[in-house]
Amino acid sequence: AQKITQTQPGMFVQEKEAVTLDCTYDTSDQSYGLFWYKQPSSGEMIFLIYQGSYDEQNATEGRYSLNFQKARKSANLVISASQLGDSAMYFCAMRDARDGSGGSNYKLTFGKGTLLTVNP
Amino acid sequence: DTGVSQDPRHKITKRGQNVTFRCDPISEHNRLYWYRQTLGQGPEFLTYFQNEAQLEKSRLLSDRFSAERPKGSFSTLEIQRTEQGDSAMYLCASSPNQGAGGNTEAFFGQGTRLTVV
Repeated sequence: AQKITQTQPGMFVQEKEAVTLDCTYDTSDQSYGLFWYKQPSSGEMIFLIYQGSYDEQNATEGRYSLNFQKARKSANLVISASQLGDSAMYFCAMRDARDGSGGSNYKLTFGKGTLLTVNP
Repeated sequence: DTGVSQDPRHKITKRGQNVTFRCDPISEHNRLYWYRQTLGQGPEFLTYFQNEAQLEKSRLLSDRFSAERPKGSFSTLEIQRTEQGDSAMYLCASSPNQGAGGNTEAFFGQGTRLTVV
């Protein structure tokens, strides 16, 4: 079974500074995908960034980058130049990349999330 | 298309009543998912549709829960004889079929927040 662990219930960062949100995962699969989603108070889950287990480069999307350390099974999210609008819950999630033969490339397993607060 | 739409956004119901939620996915997305999110937790998978076929139901989905996706377009989630433990945010998501790399993200709606009193 897949498991996602986010050990930081809450994080604070000053506006314009960088922040790292931790995520570790557990899976016996070799092929999988890792996702980060942002959930503002409105409730909608907003996709931020994706990392495939076979990707050699760390994923980047604008101010978001994913620090992927496969041997340590960690996929930390780095937000550079924090903005007030970044204040939200952040969820790390995993999905099997296979389909059939025991794989299910549709179901996301989420961590408990980290509440990020950006201070002015 | 403006994204995944869920209705209602909020629902307060008395214990024992039935409730039904609706989800309109992004058009042409043939995959549709329902998740449940309780306070302080991440979303938990409930069920998955490929077009109109319901291909997986989580153990979280008791017999009081039923989901449908007639004609492979919108979906409904019904909870019969609601209990206080059903109070949660119910999130719907959709996605196209997976590419070879499995990197297709799911697009979520804003959820329906259910309160059972």
